[in-house]
Amino acid sequence: LAKTTQPISMDSYEGQEVNITCSHNNIATNDYITWYQQFPSQGPRFIIQGYKTKVTNEVASLFIPADRKSSTLSLPRVSLSDTAVYYCLVGDNNDMRFGAGTRLTVKP
Amino acid sequence: EAGVTQFPSHSVIEKGQTVTLRCDPISGHDNLYWYRRVMGKEIKFLLHFVKESKQDESGMPNNRFLAERTGGTYSTLKVQPAELEDSGVYFCASSQLQGPHEQYFGPGTRLTVT
Repeated sequence: LAKTTQPISMDSYEGQEVNITCSHNNIATNDYITWYQQFPSQGPRFIIQGYKTKVTNEVASLFIPADRKSSTLSLPRVSLSDTAVYYCLVGDNNDMRFGAGTRLTVKP
Repeated sequence: EAGVTQFPSHSVIEKGQTVTLRCDPISGHDNLYWYRRVMGKEIKFLLHFVKESKQDESGMPNNRFLAERTGGTYSTLKVQPAELEDSGVYFCASSQLQGPHEQYFGPGTRLTVT
């Protein structure tokens, strides 16, 4: 399984765009890149998933360069409620492992 | 559509006792996963069922943990006998075998061993 590396923590302010980058140098051909969000006392919640290039949904965008050795989760105009831990996972549908995650704190 | 449910939400037991956690996945999801988060540490994979079969149990910490998924529907995770270091939050997730790769997580069971 590919190991992921992401910043332990990030701070931002309301209304700003936040970009969280994850490194996964050993990503395999069949691996997808998935991001989850977790609030305290809740289970992780799926945000977005991609294989290559760019994926966008109603809450985030995911940018994946051609070599797929990293990915960037982009959260547009964050609010206080986006304060959470964000996990980058790499693997196929049947085998994904969590890393330490990035604790994002959004300040007013 | 009902999400993944877990029971109980909290459990406090004494060292040496037995506890059984239950997970009901989303109907139709053949993949079922157990994870746990020990206080202050990252979420760790425990095991993965495909229907009633254990696909991967490499994350199970020791033989005090027993997971079952009889009939390929709900799953139980039994800890016997419980130790202090077993305290943490146990999450269950489910996903479809084919198609979207999204795992849906339950709210977790907070286990406290005293």
